[in-house]
Amino acid sequence: SQQGEEDPQALSIQEGENATMNCSYKTSINNLQWYRQNSGRGLVHLILIRSNEREKHSGRLRVTLDTSKKSSSLLITASRAADTASYFCATVPFGYSTLTFGKGTMLLVSP
Amino acid sequence: EAGVVQSPRYKIIEKKQPVAFWCNPISGHNTLYWYRQNLGQGPELLIRYENEEAVDDSQLPKDRFSAERLKGVDSTLKIQPAELGDSAVYLCASGDGLSGANVLTFGAGSRLTVL
Repeated sequence: SQQGEEDPQALSIQEGENATMNCSYKTSINNLQWYRQNSGRGLVHLILIRSNEREKHSGRLRVTLDTSKKSSSLLITASRAADTASYFCATVPFGYSTLTFGKGTMLLVSP
Repeated sequence: EAGVVQSPRYKIIEKKQPVAFWCNPISGHNTLYWYRQNLGQGPELLIRYENEEAVDDSQLPKDRFSAERLKGVDSTLKIQPAELGDSAVYLCASGDGLSGANVLTFGAGSRLTVL
């Protein structure tokens, strides 16, 4: 079963624009993570935000977490063609240790 | 560091045949996961190991799937017999389990096609 649900399913933007992806989840969590997957490759960890944090930055990435709404957003600023990939949110449900993934957002950045 | 190594990268078999996938995690990582990823979907857990113990195999179809992690290092996932619906990418991931964060490093995956 999948805990998270990303929105939108697909996003197409131009280089230089910002990309925002959202994730909603069902149960209380210990932390929420975002991963990227390039076509035909494995997933790569991008950023982790703990349940007691509200915002976190890493380079061009900004993640927010609203535990009252059970939602998170990933913002990629000044996007590049190399950011083209699928992005997944993953949660560790409270009291559980297994990382559970959503269905992903497919991002296409055109030059 | 070599990262998580999986083999084979691609496998094409006919239904009812057996197939096995191998994973070598990052040295020192005590947690190992097998996920299955269908086209256009996110990874779905099959089994999670802590050292050599399977601590979460609730999603593993035990009638045809089996897994082992001998000596708590590398792991093998087997399907016997394979069905058409088993066509997917099988991902292995490992984590060091530190601080309870469960940050995972993934292998490139093994893509299975069942004809």
